[in-house]
Amino acid sequence: DVKVTQSSRYLVKRTGEKVFLECVQDMDHENMFWYRQDPGLGLRLIYFSYDVKMKEKGDIPEGYSVSREKKERFSLILESASTNQTSMYLCASSSGTGGDTQYFGPGTRLTVL
Amino acid sequence: KQEVTQIPAALSVPEGENLVLNCSFTDSAIYNLQWFRQDPGKGLTSLLLIQSSQREQTSGRLNASLDKSSGRSTLYIAASQPGDSATYLCAVMGTSYDKVIFGPGTSLSVIP
Repeated sequence: DVKVTQSSRYLVKRTGEKVFLECVQDMDHENMFWYRQDPGLGLRLIYFSYDVKMKEKGDIPEGYSVSREKKERFSLILESASTNQTSMYLCASSSGTGGDTQYFGPGTRLTVL
Repeated sequence: KQEVTQIPAALSVPEGENLVLNCSFTDSAIYNLQWFRQDPGKGLTSLLLIQSSQREQTSGRLNASLDKSSGRSTLYIAASQPGDSATYLCAVMGTSYDKVIFGPGTSLSVIP
């Protein structure tokens, strides 16, 4: 079974802090994704990556950056956390063959005070 | 720009009932469509994936259909159970296959 893990289930940070969210997958998938999910807005794509050291902006990249130094690990970085970044963050991965399903991690509930 | 909608937003049914969830999308040039399940506070679990060349997929009590020309998909759940209570999301993958657009979800509650 594909396994996607996220470093924290719940996280509380203060405004202005630098925040790292980590995601690891164990299926040698080429593609990895970061979404945020908010009530009434659904899932929105923040960043995705096709391969190591590759990254592409999604629909809402402002205020975020990403890092993919190893194939299995994709990190989401909030350079200076703000209250409007309080959300559920979901990581996903998929194979590079095209059209494959995305496998999701359990999510990180981030609260910024 | 692709938009995905789901009707109804919420649904409550008695146990044992058959039910249909609806998904609509505006751009028929899709690569595939998926249905996911999400339990409260958890990640998404893939239920069914229908390629653009297919009309339907089945898994146990679940059957999903796809009509690309009309921009619609339905998820049929037979003999519903309380364990089916969750939010169901449909997601459309466009021809630039890496971008997936999600619908807002239907919150299903199956009453024992």
